Amino acid sequence: NAGVMQNPRHLVRRRGQEARLRCSPMKGHSHVYWYRQLPEEGLKFMVYLQKENIIDESGMPKERFSAEFPKEGPSILRIQQVVRGDSAAYFCASSPAAAGVGNEQFFGPGTRLTVL
Amino acid sequence: QQQVKQSPQSLIVQKGGISIINCAYENTAFDYFPWYQQFPGKGPALLIAIRPDVSEKKEGRFTISFNKSAKQFSLHIMDSQPGDSATYFCAATLRGDYKLSFGAGTTVTVRA
Repeated sequence: NAGVMQNPRHLVRRRGQEARLRCSPMKGHSHVYWYRQLPEEGLKFMVYLQKENIIDESGMPKERFSAEFPKEGPSILRIQQVVRGDSAAYFCASSPAAAGVGNEQFFGPGTRLTVL
Repeated sequence: QQQVKQSPQSLIVQKGGISIINCAYENTAFDYFPWYQQFPGKGPALLIAIRPDVSEKKEGRFTISFNKSAKQFSLHIMDSQPGDSATYFCAATLRGDYKLSFGAGTTVTVRA
């Protein structure tokens, strides 16, 4: 029973390039959450998605960041025109129903993004 | 601003000793306080959690102590083992919410 899968595990981009991070939730999970962890800080909520819907993107930077969770395939976190401050670990979590009503969030291993 | 502050940043304990990690929170509306354990290369995994209607919760060698008036909670790892070496995150959230507010993490090293 595979857990939450994220790829790539490590991603290096130069300033101005695009970064695409993928997350495949656990089987049977239709709720996905993205968190970002900056150096020396805890994980911070970015966005909550269900299939084909963005439920809450209150933690997403207003520009350059977008997320999607299509009907088929993984959830994608996209960062356009990356800057050095985007260097961080990006974690995806999933739950079978809306987390917070007794459903635990299961985390993936994260993608470490380094912007040169 | 950081809603959950965690200390220490790292600690080293001898096998069999007690590891203590402390967290303090700002938002008095928080009512669910989970702890996550993360091994290198893995994602955080739920370890133990507490609600503010109890002052202590114990699961095996792991105990959460909760002080509502001080807005503080702590994780105690009794009889620490080398396999407990990991990064521990405290977190807090509102009942029914999905946004977890995490502390910065504590790296625990247990020496054999």
